[in-house]
Amino acid sequence: QVQLVQSGAEVKKPGASVMVSCKASGYTFTIYDINWVRQAAGQGLEWMGWMNPNSGDTGFAQKFQGRVTMTRDTSISTAYMELSSLRAEDTAVYYCATNYYDVSGYPYFAQWGQGTLVTVSS
Amino acid sequence: DIQMTQSPSSLSASVGDKITFTCRASQNIANYLNWYQQKPGKVPKLLIFAASRLQSGVPSRFSGSGSGTDFTLTISSLQPEDFASYYCQQSYSIPWAFGQGTKVEIK
Repeated sequence: QVQLVQSGAEVKKPGASVMVSCKASGYTFTIYDINWVRQAAGQGLEWMGWMNPNSGDTGFAQKFQGRVTMTRDTSISTAYMELSSLRAEDTAVYYCATNYYDVSGYPYFAQWGQGTLVTVSS
Repeated sequence: DIQMTQSPSSLSASVGDKITFTCRASQNIANYLNWYQQKPGKVPKLLIFAASRLQSGVPSRFSGSGSGTDFTLTISSLQPEDFASYYCQQSYSIPWAFGQGTKVEIK
């Protein structure tokens, strides 16, 4: 079955960078876009950006432009999200999710990783 | 960018109640609207896509409606496992955006 497995929790100091990985299995990695969504404690879901694993094309929410990078290694079916210049407000659970299109062309987040807690603290 | 606004932010209800909550888009998104359920400490789960299409395996007590800018999610008879947070998400154009969520609590 389709599965996304993310890397483990991270603790970082302000100003540092963090890289979270998302390993896909159960499908051809290059056919579904990978999106990244984060959620601070007690807060809602916040979309960060997407990546086409086939072409490597990316797009980011304005809020994260210049601070986020999304890459992939197709040989191991793994996507990566790197967030730099971390601040306390970046403390959150980070999710990867596949963007699936149904037969009529409607997109939705079909499969989610288990989430990775990133804590930014001095 | 399209903004999504949900109301109410929380509601209290009892098992067996019929509940409805709303999601409004800042511009016309046709029926490109998805609903997700999230329980505490768990991953979001897709309930409905294209405003009214039930995801496979989701109980029929869940239904969605709406088009354009105004959408609703209805639970016809609330069950104990339905106490959770619910998020709408527009899938009309990037940047994708979520509403701030509605938390359904036990009365």
